Amino acid sequence: AQSVAQPEDQVNVAEGNPLTVKCTYSVSGNPYLFWYVQYPNRGLQFLLKYITGDNLVKGSYGFEAEFNKSQTSFHLKKPSALVSDSALYFCAVRDGFQKLVFGTGTRLLVSP
Amino acid sequence: EAQVTQNPRYLITVTGKKLTVTCSQNMNHEYMSWYRQDPGLGLRQIYYSMNVEVTDKGDVPEGYKVSRKEKRNFPLILESPSPNQTSLYFCASKDRGSYEQYFGPGTRLTVT
Repeated sequence: AQSVAQPEDQVNVAEGNPLTVKCTYSVSGNPYLFWYVQYPNRGLQFLLKYITGDNLVKGSYGFEAEFNKSQTSFHLKKPSALVSDSALYFCAVRDGFQKLVFGTGTRLLVSP
Repeated sequence: EAQVTQNPRYLITVTGKKLTVTCSQNMNHEYMSWYRQDPGLGLRQIYYSMNVEVTDKGDVPEGYKVSRKEKRNFPLILESPSPNQTSLYFCASKDRGSYEQYFGPGTRLTVT
């Protein structure tokens, strides 16, 4: 079965500093990987996806993710964090034709 | 505006009292799904539907029912709720040819 792991429950970063939220995956076959963000009292919003092609994927709100096949990782990054980026971030992998399997989530706190 | 709506947003009920959480999407998506979100567990799929009258179990279907009589609606039914079904519930939809799932705002259910 496909799975993803998010090893950090929380990441703290100062505004203006670069941020990284980690995700590793375990799949059979080619991975279809996703990042979603959840703001307080809101549903999940799609940030970006990796299907194939360039290992650096750009998404919404200035986020990007780096796919690393040798390390089976798909870390989310942003060059300069904003306080408004504070939220809960989920990594996910497609399992089968339609299903998403989510990680446990990482809370990002950006301090002013 | 393209959206997935859920009602109610908040619900407190007692053990054994049947309830229904509605989900509706206005994007003509074929695929719809229900997830529950619990701390430390991420999102887990309860049921999904590939199209009208086509539904199937996800990872945690026990204690839940669904129906898909119309393309836009996918209600989640708890025939006899129990306290272990206290959770945050999300409905999602997706177009058949797309990788991105659209999530509703969530329903916070408390069963006492």
